Amino acid sequence: DGGITQSPKYLFRKEGQNVTLSCEQNLNHDAMYWYRQDPGQGLRLIYYSQIVNDFQKGDIAEGYSVSREKKESFPLTVTSAQKNPTAFYLCASSEGSPTSGSTGELFFGEGSRLTVL
Amino acid sequence: SQQGEEDPQALSIQEGENATMNCSYKTSINNLQWYRQNSGRGLVHLILIRSNEREKHSGRLRVTLDTSKKSSSLLITASRAADTASYFCATPMNYGGSQGNLIFGKGTKLSVKP
Repeated sequence: DGGITQSPKYLFRKEGQNVTLSCEQNLNHDAMYWYRQDPGQGLRLIYYSQIVNDFQKGDIAEGYSVSREKKESFPLTVTSAQKNPTAFYLCASSEGSPTSGSTGELFFGEGSRLTVL
Repeated sequence: SQQGEEDPQALSIQEGENATMNCSYKTSINNLQWYRQNSGRGLVHLILIRSNEREKHSGRLRVTLDTSKKSSSLLITASRAADTASYFCATPMNYGGSQGNLIFGKGTKLSVKP
């Protein structure tokens, strides 16, 4: 079955530690995205990538880093510079970006919940 | 930056009733999408309506779009307890006239009681 796999589902971090969230897709999609969701809030875009070896900052990129070395993979690192990292993180992909003519319909993973101890 | 805003924030109904959720947005769009999120899970795409469409149906879902009022509504008919979830509208961010990444509202939390 095609889809997006995020891991781990739950993650605990001590203050000052970097953690990396995994996101893998087998949908052959060009574009991938990372969103952050806080309780009772909508989704806020952290980073996105429209093509391998290229990515752009979203609305709340500070304290986060990404890489896109393979089409299938778009890992997110939450660094110690992120002051309030406790949140639900969602990875998504789409066939292309709206700027490339795609509708931008997103396919989401099941999310990773990060808690800072 | 907030593009779509859903209304109401929360809605509680009995099974069998219809549920209506509204979404307002700020800039011109070429499409509007609705997503569903079960508690603690990822979002699932429900339906997309293009700017040249006024109404679209998918099973028990009916979506309308009024571009003059910059608003959309999602109607779920004959609701079931399994429809309990949060519902989000999403619109493309407008980058100098080009449609960019999706911007999500805060969602409507629907509770359907058996």
